[in-house]
Amino acid sequence: KAGVTQTPRYLIKTRGQQVTLSCSPISGHRSVSWYQQTPGQGLQFLFEYFSETQRNKGNFPGRFSGRQFSNSRSEMNVSTLELGDSALYLCASGRLADNEQFFGPGTRLTVL
Amino acid sequence: GNSVTQMEGPVTLSEEAFLTINCTYTATGYPSLFWYVQYPGEGLQLLLKATKADDKGSNKGFEATYRKETTSFHLEKGSVQVSDSAVYFCALPPGGTSYGKLTFGQGTILTVHP
Repeated sequence: KAGVTQTPRYLIKTRGQQVTLSCSPISGHRSVSWYQQTPGQGLQFLFEYFSETQRNKGNFPGRFSGRQFSNSRSEMNVSTLELGDSALYLCASGRLADNEQFFGPGTRLTVL
Repeated sequence: GNSVTQMEGPVTLSEEAFLTINCTYTATGYPSLFWYVQYPGEGLQLLLKATKADDKGSNKGFEATYRKETTSFHLEKGSVQVSDSAVYFCALPPGGTSYGKLTFGQGTILTVHP
């Protein structure tokens, strides 16, 4: 069974640009969550989607947005990039039945 | 809300040494508890879990017991290997409708020397 895939794996952008990251969950998983990982702040929750609906949102500015498609694939978008947005962005998928989440390898975003 | 506190790191050990990484939590009720591991350059992998009090999760020689009396879920391994060098995260889910919102500890960096 294929794991969670994230594309692209690496991105370099400049301040003010926008970026879109993609996540394909494990087949059969309808829940997708996004996390930001930085050395200073650790792992911080961004959003959670289930059946195309955002169920929860973390404490991030409105520049961070996301969506989920009918096939459970998810995208997150960051507009007007800032240097502090440089981070590893992790996507996780899971099923409601067992509370486990399975993580992808992440997208490493560098903002110059 | 839920919170997780992990022991301060980093932890540096010699191969075959005993490992303990402390984790305590604050939560409503008795949620499942998880340990995740992150190897260099990779995402997080679920290492082990426990779903109820007194459960012991185990995997790859690692163990953790869900202690509701002390609200703890300490990770242990009797003999570490160089390949265990990684960052370890204790985590718990919020339950209810916040299914996907895991709360993580700050992470403990483990380095094992030959």
